[in-house]
Amino acid sequence: NSKVIQTPRYLVKGQGQKAKMRCIPEKGHPVVFWYQQNKNNEFKFLINFQNQEVLQQIDMTEKRFSAECPSNSPCSLEIQSSEAGDSALYLCASSLQDTQYFGPGTRLLVL
Amino acid sequence: GDSVTQTEGPVTVSESESLIINCTYSATSIAYPNLFWYVRYPGEGLQLLLKVITAGQKGSSRGFEATYNKETTSFHLQKASVQESDSAVYYCALGGRSNTGKLTFGDGTVLTVKP
Repeated sequence: NSKVIQTPRYLVKGQGQKAKMRCIPEKGHPVVFWYQQNKNNEFKFLINFQNQEVLQQIDMTEKRFSAECPSNSPCSLEIQSSEAGDSALYLCASSLQDTQYFGPGTRLLVL
Repeated sequence: GDSVTQTEGPVTVSESESLIINCTYSATSIAYPNLFWYVRYPGEGLQLLLKVITAGQKGSSRGFEATYNKETTSFHLQKASVQESDSAVYYCALGGRSNTGKLTFGDGTVLTVKP
């Protein structure tokens, strides 16, 4: 079973508010990913990190999201100004040997 | 881009019946994809069920099996005799031979096993 920790499990925000979630990857896993899973069960890759550096990110993430993975601290994903369409399950995964292991997710509801 | 298509659910079977959940993939950006099945049990997080990285090979876990078929670009999930505890959402996914590449997921198949 995965040892990726995500907090909080649930997050409720109003439109325009900031929404921040955190992830502690499994020890020894060098790469961290964030995905968004919408109400239709579709996964969208957002961003990934290796050694605190961003490897890839999609346009949406560049514009309204900020993310970091500092050494010796949890990784975080923050939506600067939440929109209703951001309501989703946000999944963090850490990767070892080409395999990604997922946390339980943070379910964000934007009212 | 890359894509994964799997059996549209929900799928309902009775306990001890056999199961197959179809998965086909298109890997346009990855020469040698790795293939995965993940599962989400009720109230739990997404878990790796099985992984196969070599075409022609079969992966197995918890009584489930899937064979990586490069000719038909398929990775169907099968189980000979399901149990009520197998009720879950199953996701087929493909990734590259890299620790840094993203996964492409199918939309998931909801499986309900009736006692």
